[in-house]
Amino acid sequence: DTGVSQDPRHKITKRGQNVTFRCDPISEHNRLYWYRQTLGQGPEFLTYFQNEAQLEKSRLLSDRFSAERPKGSFSTLEIQRTEQGDSAMYLCATSGTANTGELFFGEGSRLTVL
Amino acid sequence: GENVEQHPSTLSVQEGDSAVIKCTYSDSASNYFPWYKQELGKGPQLIIDIRSNVGEKKDQRIAVTLNKTAKHFSLHITETQPEDSAVYFCAASREGGGNKLTFGTGTQLKVEL
Repeated sequence: DTGVSQDPRHKITKRGQNVTFRCDPISEHNRLYWYRQTLGQGPEFLTYFQNEAQLEKSRLLSDRFSAERPKGSFSTLEIQRTEQGDSAMYLCATSGTANTGELFFGEGSRLTVL
Repeated sequence: GENVEQHPSTLSVQEGDSAVIKCTYSDSASNYFPWYKQELGKGPQLIIDIRSNVGEKKDQRIAVTLNKTAKHFSLHITETQPEDSAVYFCAASREGGGNKLTFGTGTQLKVEL
């Protein structure tokens, strides 16, 4: 499968714990995005990378959230001291150098904070 | 920032009928308007998009129209089939701005036999 891969698909954690999600992009896609989606809502932009550089962060991304893309390939999104309000689907998407505008989404990592 | 509103939130049609979903946007600088389809348990998938230099685009049973003056755009699906049942999202962005999409709240389309 050469699509965007996310891991884990589901994560249940207790409030206050740290969690980390991983995204493996489509090979050679230089832009990588993180979105958050809550039930009944559209995806909300969190942050994006061009290669290894994090170019923009949403105000939704509090200090407890950190994203990295150390070698311009896979990316991680870490949430520290999780809160119940962090419960959501975390979607990763990538786009290629052709810049057609299309984002290719992974299937998401669903986080449940108890 | 950009704000995208989408209506209706749910839409039920009979197989073979047409379905129309409407969106409005607030940022006059937005110039790229994609539509995504999301099936249960999956990530959104692009089905059609339109840029601000055209007013209409069609791909088989799917068409999108754009009215820049009124800042609204619509998705039209003709001859609906059960496999069209899904959640549809409109979105808007400024190309050149990192392709950061602002999504609408989604429309749950149900095609009944």
